Amino acid sequence: GEDVEQSLFLSVREGDSSVINCTYTDSSSTYLYWYKQEPGAGLQLLTYIFSNMDMKQDQRLTVLLNKKDKHLSLRIADTQTGDSAIYFCAEIGHSGGYNKLIFGAGTRLAVHP
Amino acid sequence: NAGVTQTPKFQVLKTGQSMTLQCAQDMNHEYMSWYRQDPGMGLRLIHYSVGAGITDQGEVPNGYNVSRSTTEDFPLRLLSAAPSQTSVYFCASSYVSGEKLFFGSGTQLSVL
Repeated sequence: GEDVEQSLFLSVREGDSSVINCTYTDSSSTYLYWYKQEPGAGLQLLTYIFSNMDMKQDQRLTVLLNKKDKHLSLRIADTQTGDSAIYFCAEIGHSGGYNKLIFGAGTRLAVHP
Repeated sequence: NAGVTQTPKFQVLKTGQSMTLQCAQDMNHEYMSWYRQDPGMGLRLIHYSVGAGITDQGEVPNGYNVSRSTTEDFPLRLLSAAPSQTSVYFCASSYVSGEKLFFGSGTQLSVL
């Protein structure tokens, strides 16, 4: 079945790079998404990558996609305390003729001085 | 443009009580959905709707009802609250199913 897996915790020092990893199962997923959830808030779309791309860069964020291994990663350069949040990876699943987003359990990123 | 608005933000219920969580969006999105978020389990889909008058079950629909009489509103009803329904609930919408979702700020529900 459809499943998205992420490690639950990551701790990094301020100024270092963070790499959050995700594995997914549906190779037909057109897009893959990264969402950010700050404490007490809803999820916000951080970035996404189209399935025919290997890499997407957006300022401090770099998304890498390895379709062969069904592996997605999010790299945050120069990590700041404001990056502390839970990061969710999501793929597109299919049910009853409709598409839906399937989320991983989320990776909690803690940034320390 | 308010986006996705959920009410209430917090709610405490007693076992067996019923209530409705409200969700409204002003982006003319066809697709709306309800998720619950539990520690270590991420987001699980409860119900979704691909347009007015059309709803379907997600992964964890038991104990919840939905309806979609208008494009804008997608309320979630708890029929008889149970402690297992203690969770944070998120409503989300998008132009079409499977596309970029916009989330509300959530409702924290405790069932005693």
